[in-house]
Amino acid sequence: GAGVSQTPSNKVTEKGKYVELRCDPISGHTALYWYRQSLGQGPEFLIYFQGTGAADDSGLPNDRFFAVRPEGSVSTLKIQRTERGDSAVYLCASSGLGSGDTQYFGPGTRLTVL
Amino acid sequence: EDQVTQSPEALRLQEGESSSLNCSYTVSGLRGLFWYRQDPGKGPEFLFTLYSAGEEKEKERLKATLTKKESFLHITAPKPEDSATYLCAVDTSGTYKYIFGTGTRLKVLA
Repeated sequence: GAGVSQTPSNKVTEKGKYVELRCDPISGHTALYWYRQSLGQGPEFLIYFQGTGAADDSGLPNDRFFAVRPEGSVSTLKIQRTERGDSAVYLCASSGLGSGDTQYFGPGTRLTVL
Repeated sequence: EDQVTQSPEALRLQEGESSSLNCSYTVSGLRGLFWYRQDPGKGPEFLFTLYSAGEEKEKERLKATLTKKESFLHITAPKPEDSATYLCAVDTSGTYKYIFGTGTRLKVLA
């Protein structure tokens, strides 16, 4: 079956621009997560959705970051006024139930801010 | 504060040379411990879930074990295709997010 997909695979943008990163979870999975991974580090949690609502957004670094999941399936991570420090790989994961359930990751979007 | 530490940071093995990777954790309440494999430029690929001390899981040349303080990923007779970064993550009580270690970069030489 199809896994988690993310688009684009690579995104290069200029400082100050707005970007959107898309995640399509495994069909039927109600829980969706966004993580950010810097070089040589493990993924760091950004936000968790259960259905359409953001159940935990405590990992978003500041108010330039926002994510939506309007129909409980596809999610979009939005970054306003990008900064060079936002450069990283943004990973999306989904799981069937949420807490305690295995999270399955997508291939990631590599964001480079020039 | 919940914390996950992996060691060693990097490991080079000859093909067939068995070894173990360590993941030690300090968490308020463990709901699950997860091992992933990550190849360069790819997302983490799920390997194992362990829920309670004493539990063991095996898959091909890999075996994961769990105690109350740490988990080990044992690699028996590794092959070059086992070269990757191995990530450990914990899911703790009261949260829905994984806390990851920084990973162990494994290189298996032919």
